[in-house]
Amino acid sequence: GENVEQHPSTLSVQEGDSAVIKCTYSDSASNYFPWYKQELGKRPQLIIDIRSNVGEKKDQRIAVTLNKTAKHFSLHITETQPEDSAVYFCAAPGRDGNEKLTFGTGTRLTIIP
Amino acid sequence: DTAVSQTPKYLVTQMGNDKSIKCEQNLGHDTMYWYKQDSKKFLKIMFSYNNKELIINETVPNRFSPKSPDKAHLNLHINSLELGDSAVYFCASSSIGGSSTDTQYFGPGTRLTVL
Repeated sequence: GENVEQHPSTLSVQEGDSAVIKCTYSDSASNYFPWYKQELGKRPQLIIDIRSNVGEKKDQRIAVTLNKTAKHFSLHITETQPEDSAVYFCAAPGRDGNEKLTFGTGTRLTIIP
Repeated sequence: DTAVSQTPKYLVTQMGNDKSIKCEQNLGHDTMYWYKQDSKKFLKIMFSYNNKELIINETVPNRFSPKSPDKAHLNLHINSLELGDSAVYFCASSSIGGSSTDTQYFGPGTRLTVL
């Protein structure tokens, strides 16, 4: 099945600076890469996703890049704000036939005012 | 108007008891999931149902039994609760049958504490 590794596990950045979270995956057939944000005590919510036919996707201050050759994808948050503080999860589906998402281990992002 | 709802939000119980968690979605989705999130925040899939049919069954003790009476509901029954079952359990749903490339919408979670 799919193996997803996520780094770093914790990240602190000054408000206004950029944050980057990286994930690698093992299954070259994976074709969909979502990112979820989970605020303290809340549910995970999709913030952006990318499919394998594009290398980058942007939505205001967040962007995701995908390198299929290297099998890694990254979340970029620019001009960080206090409300960006949360745990972020990457995920990938794999092709093991049972159609499940495998989540990374999460990155706790703290924005320092 | 909540899209995916779960009850109860909190559940505190003694070891050895049996408990159920209920999930409902009003999004018209075909597929529903149960995830377990442990104290380290790891999010692991447990089960998935598509149109009332079990399609994913991870390596979960058979004390856990999901039931889907219709495609809008997926319940989780846990027998003989153990300390290690303490976690937050999230229900989720997605639109197209069984495809992991569809956005999953999560419920608010049920925090289970086993004493």
